[in-house]
Amino acid sequence: AQKITQTQPGMFVQEKEAVTLDCTYDTSDQSYGLFWYKQPSSGEMIFLIYQGSYDEQNATEGRYSLNFQKARKSANLVISASQLGDSAMYFCAWTGYSSASKIIFGSGTRLSIRP
Amino acid sequence: EPEVTQTPSHQVTQMGQEVILRCVPISNHLYFYWYRQILGQKVEFLVSFYNNEISEKSEIFDDQFSVERPDGSNFTLKIRSTKLEDSAMYFCASNLAGGTHEQYFGPGTRLTVT
Repeated sequence: AQKITQTQPGMFVQEKEAVTLDCTYDTSDQSYGLFWYKQPSSGEMIFLIYQGSYDEQNATEGRYSLNFQKARKSANLVISASQLGDSAMYFCAWTGYSSASKIIFGSGTRLSIRP
Repeated sequence: EPEVTQTPSHQVTQMGQEVILRCVPISNHLYFYWYRQILGQKVEFLVSFYNNEISEKSEIFDDQFSVERPDGSNFTLKIRSTKLEDSAMYFCASNLAGGTHEQYFGPGTRLTVT
């Protein structure tokens, strides 16, 4: 069964610094996708970035980039120039290529940005 | 921008009562999902739905749970006889083509069972 591991339950970062949130996954599937979602204190789930297992380049979306190392089965999220509004819970997630494929979430990392 | 909506935002019910959580997925999406998040824990998959039938369900989704798409726009989750441990945030999600396409999440319904 697939498993997502986020080993950092909480992180504190100074505003404007870059931060890396760790994520490793365990799957025997050859084709899959990896997501990062942000959950602010208001509770909604906000999609940040997606990486397909066959994508050769790391995904980027504005200040977010995904450091994908397939052989190591890691998909770390990098946030450049952190802002106070980045304070939230961040979930790494996996999904398969089958139709109606569920998303499997990690346990999350709570990121707190210090002014 | 189109979005997934959920009602109510917060529901309080007594143990043993039936509840129906409602979702309106994005109009051209074909795949629908329910997830739940117990307070302070990770988000867990409950069920996926496509072409008017369940595609996959988790161990959590037992006989007390059911889903329905009663018309062309709504997607509902019913819990027949609620338990204290059903207290959680319930998220509906949808996507256009299944697979690895991004799932768009609704804002959630917080269910409190007393």
